[in-house]
Amino acid sequence: NAGVMQNPRHLVRRRGQEARLRCSPMKGHSHVYWYRQLPEEGLKFMVYLQKENIIDESGMPKERFSAEFPKEGPSILRIQQVVRGDSAAYFCASSPSSGGSDTQYFGPGTRLTVL
Amino acid sequence: AQSVTQLDSHVSVSEGTPVLLRCNYSSSYSPSLFWYVQHPNKGLQLLLKYTSAATLVKGINGFEAEFKKSETSFHLTKPSAHMSDAAEYFCVVSGGYQKVTFGTGTKLQVIP
Repeated sequence: NAGVMQNPRHLVRRRGQEARLRCSPMKGHSHVYWYRQLPEEGLKFMVYLQKENIIDESGMPKERFSAEFPKEGPSILRIQQVVRGDSAAYFCASSPSSGGSDTQYFGPGTRLTVL
Repeated sequence: AQSVTQLDSHVSVSEGTPVLLRCNYSSSYSPSLFWYVQHPNKGLQLLLKYTSAATLVKGINGFEAEFKKSETSFHLTKPSAHMSDAAEYFCVVSGGYQKVTFGTGTKLQVIP
């Protein structure tokens, strides 16, 4: 059973460009979570999605950031008009259900560098 | 509301000596608690989790943690540190529908 897949692993963008980060959850998992880890900080929750639905986006910046989890295909975290402060590691996690005791399984992360 | 406090940002131990990484939490729910490990430039790996069963939880690589409700603590321990344990460790609390809160992390250094 393949784990959570994220690609690309490393992404370099210039200021003003768009960044698209992809996450394929573990097989059988329909719940996806995105986190951001700034240098020297812990992970901060961004958004929680189920197939075709955003359940909780309380951690998402109000502008430039969006996320989707379509019926078919991976979840996408999209950052428009990137700025240097967006440089971080972005982690995706998946779980089989929304139960509080369910483990979230993490992908290897995408490290975004904005020049 | 929930929160996690990892009391030490850095811990340094000698190889072969015990490890203690401290974590305190607060939660409005009966929480689930997790410890994850992150090696440099890697993703997060689950070490162990507590979900209201046994209060002493055994995880991978010889780690264990004890849930103490009266102290609202979930400290991570290992009897004997190995060089490969050098990494960053995150304590995580989960309440309700899976909204998790991460601690700020503890970097463990193991001295040969």
